Amino acid sequence: QSALTQPASVSGSPGQSITISCTGTSSDVGGYNYVSWFQQHPGKAPKLMIYDVSKRPSGVSNRFSGSKSANTASLTISGLQADDEADYYCSSYTSSTTVVFGGGTTLTVL
Amino acid sequence: QLQLQESGPGLVKPSETLSLTCTVSGGSVSSTGYYWGWIRQPPGMGLEYIGTIYYTGSTSYNPSLKSRVTISKDTSKNQFSLRLSSLTAADTAVYYCATEEALFLTGAMDSWGQGTLVTVSS
Repeated sequence: QSALTQPASVSGSPGQSITISCTGTSSDVGGYNYVSWFQQHPGKAPKLMIYDVSKRPSGVSNRFSGSKSANTASLTISGLQADDEADYYCSSYTSSTTVVFGGGTTLTVL
Repeated sequence: QLQLQESGPGLVKPSETLSLTCTVSGGSVSSTGYYWGWIRQPPGMGLEYIGTIYYTGSTSYNPSLKSRVTISKDTSKNQFSLRLSSLTAADTAVYYCATEEALFLTGAMDSWGQGTLVTVSS
């Protein structure tokens, strides 16, 4: 299975909004509403931010939102804060009954 | 609150088999509706799904690793384990254990261990 495609990096200023894309195929992102997003700070374990395309776990800020169109899912972070600077990974369930991750996106808050 | 803790050797030799254990506290590996999984991250690189085991004992593996991977669980010790054979330097990574509470696998792992670095070198 091939990794989902994410931009290597995105950046934004405090208070702005950014969007990270995650492109797969009809065998993963496009075929199921099981896309998750994870935030990872350096040296830390990943943290679940979004699941089932657009649902937020308890405790995750509503500044984080997810969506999907065809084979591409997106994570939007509004009102950027310094602590949002991290690596972000998408994942999807696949038709092979496994999970595949994206390559990761580094978010820089300018 | 589920807590997971990985344990195992930090250094293994090429061609050998890696064995890692994840100890679960605050919950049970036999609890209905939980997937227990392993994910790895080579230094400076992205996350890679290795596989999961359901509370029923059924397993799901990354097709690219399937021939070398076995995930099992020990309910008496409340642990689940990873075995990865025929190691090469490309298997050097931080290995995480994680869990997802769901009726079917989606990848939404919401509890993670802190990770353990495994280096494959002679």
